[in-house]
Amino acid sequence: ETGVTQSPTHLIKTRGQQVTLRCSSQSGHNTVSWYQQALGQGPQFIFQYYREEENGRGNFPPRFSGLQFPNYSSELNVNALELDDSALYLCASSTGLAGGQFFGPGTRLTVL
Amino acid sequence: KNEVEQSPQNLTAQEGEFITINCSYSVGISALHWLQQHPGGGIVSLFMLSSGKKKHGRLIATINIQEKHSSLHITASHPRDSAVYICAVGRTSYDKVIFGPGTSLSVIP
Repeated sequence: ETGVTQSPTHLIKTRGQQVTLRCSSQSGHNTVSWYQQALGQGPQFIFQYYREEENGRGNFPPRFSGLQFPNYSSELNVNALELDDSALYLCASSTGLAGGQFFGPGTRLTVL
Repeated sequence: KNEVEQSPQNLTAQEGEFITINCSYSVGISALHWLQQHPGGGIVSLFMLSSGKKKHGRLIATINIQEKHSSLHITASHPRDSAVYICAVGRTSYDKVIFGPGTSLSVIP
């Protein structure tokens, strides 16, 4: 059912580096949400973008930032990486109409 | 009280058994998701439901909006079904999704 894609699949970075994760939303979807799932925990909401503007944010520091492009694809940027940023990062897209969100497969980030 | 609860928390079954995982929620929703996550793997969307029942292969998902309850059934379970199954709800498609705690399923040959 889902047409949400994420890249890369896996990524290894070192502390202090910066990373950009990408999400292509399902065709026709104008809303993208990002979640972080640390090992052994449930996903936590990072933020959501609707028509290129941030539309809600969870409890994450400002070094987590995002963008949504006119084609509704999205990027998650994390600056000054910390070891605790190691996690699976999920994006989900939706139309904003009745219904739910479609999840991508995730990007697994390891910070060494 | 968590807004989304699942039972059981852990489940071990013999290959071939019929499995049921339950999800209850306390908020009004526009959609409910059943997700599958293998150890160390990403999340796979199994179903998105807003009413009734959906079937895909050996998997069946049902939802009762009035009772705020959903079930995921696996028929003729197989060891490759071993994974964490997560129930998640969205109040609207604009809202963040609220995730349940997950049910860890182990199917033994």
